[in-house]
Amino acid sequence: QKEVEQNSGPLSVPEGAIASLNCTYSDRVSQSFFWYRQYSGKSPELIMSIYSNGDKEDGRFTAQLNKASQYVSLLIRDSQPSDSATYLCAVPNYGQNFVFGPGTRLSVLP
Amino acid sequence: DAGITQSPRYKITETGRQVTLMCHQTWSHSYMFWYRQDLGHGLRLIYYSAAADITDKGEVPDGYVVSRSKTENFPLTLESATRSQTSVYFCASSVGAPSGANVLTFGAGSRLTVL
Repeated sequence: QKEVEQNSGPLSVPEGAIASLNCTYSDRVSQSFFWYRQYSGKSPELIMSIYSNGDKEDGRFTAQLNKASQYVSLLIRDSQPSDSATYLCAVPNYGQNFVFGPGTRLSVLP
Repeated sequence: DAGITQSPRYKITETGRQVTLMCHQTWSHSYMFWYRQDLGHGLRLIYYSAAADITDKGEVPDGYVVSRSKTENFPLTLESATRSQTSVYFCASSVGAPSGANVLTFGAGSRLTVL
């Protein structure tokens, strides 16, 4: 089973700042990665996916993948209080299921 | 309503009782999953199913039973509930085998308390 690690946080950033969330994974053959956002008391929802080395931008979100170093990160620019949530990193596990990291709790302070 | 629905959303039961959590999806997704989420452990896979009548264990299957007689339904049964099974349970589905193209979509969750 693959392992996915994340800093549990909480990570606190002021409104308008850049929030940086990191994820490392154990398996060098992993090809695709996902970031889910989970608000308190709600279910996870997909916000980003990335498959290739480098950056992928979607609005205020940028996912960065470095397969050689086995890490994937999520940057949130111009952070808003509405971004306060737990962010989960996920990796497909040999085509059978998905493995999730423990999540990083982000708090954006007004 | 289209989507993935879980029931009940909240359940309180006693140790030793049998509990079934229901999951229904209207997308005809092949894969369905049950995860539990606990503080400090994140999402842990209990069971998953690749198709009707095909199920397999995940990371934490002990104490749970699943079935999948129809593609759209994937019930999770706790045959004799224990306090350690107090958790939030999420059902999820994906159109095909987990990969970059087939992402997970979650139900709203079922919060189970075992007294």
